[in-house]
Amino acid sequence: GDSVTQMEGPVTLSEEAFLTINCTYTATGYPSLFWYVQYPGEGLQLLLKATKADDKGSNKGFEATYRKETTSFHLEKGSVQVSDSAVYFCALSPGGYNKLIFGAGTRLAVHP
Amino acid sequence: GAGVSQSPSNKVTEKGKDVELRCDPISGHTALYWYRQSLGQGLEFLIYFQGNSAPDKSGLPSDRFSAERTGGSVSTLTIQRTQQEDSAVYLCASSLSQGDGGELFFGEGSRLTVL
Repeated sequence: GDSVTQMEGPVTLSEEAFLTINCTYTATGYPSLFWYVQYPGEGLQLLLKATKADDKGSNKGFEATYRKETTSFHLEKGSVQVSDSAVYFCALSPGGYNKLIFGAGTRLAVHP
Repeated sequence: GAGVSQSPSNKVTEKGKDVELRCDPISGHTALYWYRQSLGQGLEFLIYFQGNSAPDKSGLPSDRFSAERTGGSVSTLTIQRTQQEDSAVYLCASSLSQGDGGELFFGEGSRLTVL
């Protein structure tokens, strides 16, 4: 079945460091891909998405490119801030309706 | 309301008791989803509603779990004869449509602890 695998955390970085969180997927067909973020004490919220191969999603300085050839959707940010500390979830939607299949989540801690 | 509202935010119950978890979606959102987040696990899909009907119940773990939605709005997830392995955070989400690529809006969840 469809699945998402993302790198285990926690990821601990200093402020202004470069961030990469790896995400790979297995799916039949052509899913849409998402990154959701869960800040402490808040509900999950959409960070960015890409709906077809080679699309780049971006938001708040974060980027991810839909790579069909490597079945990947890695999340990157050039310079992280303390306020980026959160749990990040990679997800796919197989299509038809917005049923999301999530990865296990990666906790990011950014220190001053 | 402004966002997806879930209640209770925390529930502690004894093994064998029944529990009901409530979700009030964003007004006008026709699609509603329930997920479960267990400690150290990702989010596990439970059930999807479009309006009052549930075309996908494939994630419900057992027949102890059921859900309904009335008036195309509020949904209730019921767990009968709770077990310790039911302990988790139950998340509800809604979206404007069922179309692919739409954004899901999540509530803050109901944390269930079964003693």
